[in-house]
Amino acid sequence: GENVEQHPSTLSVQEGDSAVIKCTYSDSASNYFPWYKQELGKRPQLIIDIRSNVGEKKDQRIAVTLNKTAKHFSLHITETQPEDSAVYFCAASPPGNTGKLIFGQGTTLQVKP
Amino acid sequence: DVKVTQSSRYLVKRTGEKVFLECVQDMDHENMFWYRQDPGLGLRLIYFSYDVKMKEKGDIPEGYSVSREKKERFSLILESASTNQTSMYLCASSTPGQRYGYTFGSGTRLTVV
Repeated sequence: GENVEQHPSTLSVQEGDSAVIKCTYSDSASNYFPWYKQELGKRPQLIIDIRSNVGEKKDQRIAVTLNKTAKHFSLHITETQPEDSAVYFCAASPPGNTGKLIFGQGTTLQVKP
Repeated sequence: DVKVTQSSRYLVKRTGEKVFLECVQDMDHENMFWYRQDPGLGLRLIYFSYDVKMKEKGDIPEGYSVSREKKERFSLILESASTNQTSMYLCASSTPGQRYGYTFGSGTRLTVV
């Protein structure tokens, strides 16, 4: 089955710097790749997603890139702010109509003021 | 506007007890999922359901079962709780095709003593 690896496990940046989180997946037929942000004590929230027919997607300060050949995708956060501090999860959706997601291990991002 | 509700935020149970975790969604979603979240391991899929009375095993189903008698309700059952099932349990729902990704519940922190 699908397996998703996420790196790094922790990331500390200065406010204003960029942050990049990377994920690889194993099933080349996976077709949907969302990113979730989980603030302390709260539920994960979808922040951006990308489908397999798109190479890049941007939404203000966040962007996601997908390299289907290499089977990896990345989250880019520019001009980081303290409120970006959270745990970020990537996920991949294997083919089929079940809609299940396989998640990475998570990255704890700390943005220092 | 809470749309996925988990019945308990915190739960403490004894080893060997039968435990029921309830999840209700009001978005008429077909798909529902149970994950457990452990530090460094991310979110791991226990069971999921893509229709009433339909269920499929995820990656870590051992020691768990599920019930989906009505579309809006998906229950996770720990047949005989053990200390290694101490974890945060997250329920989620989605529509086919992942148009809007998952909506997560707020989680149930289960401690088995």
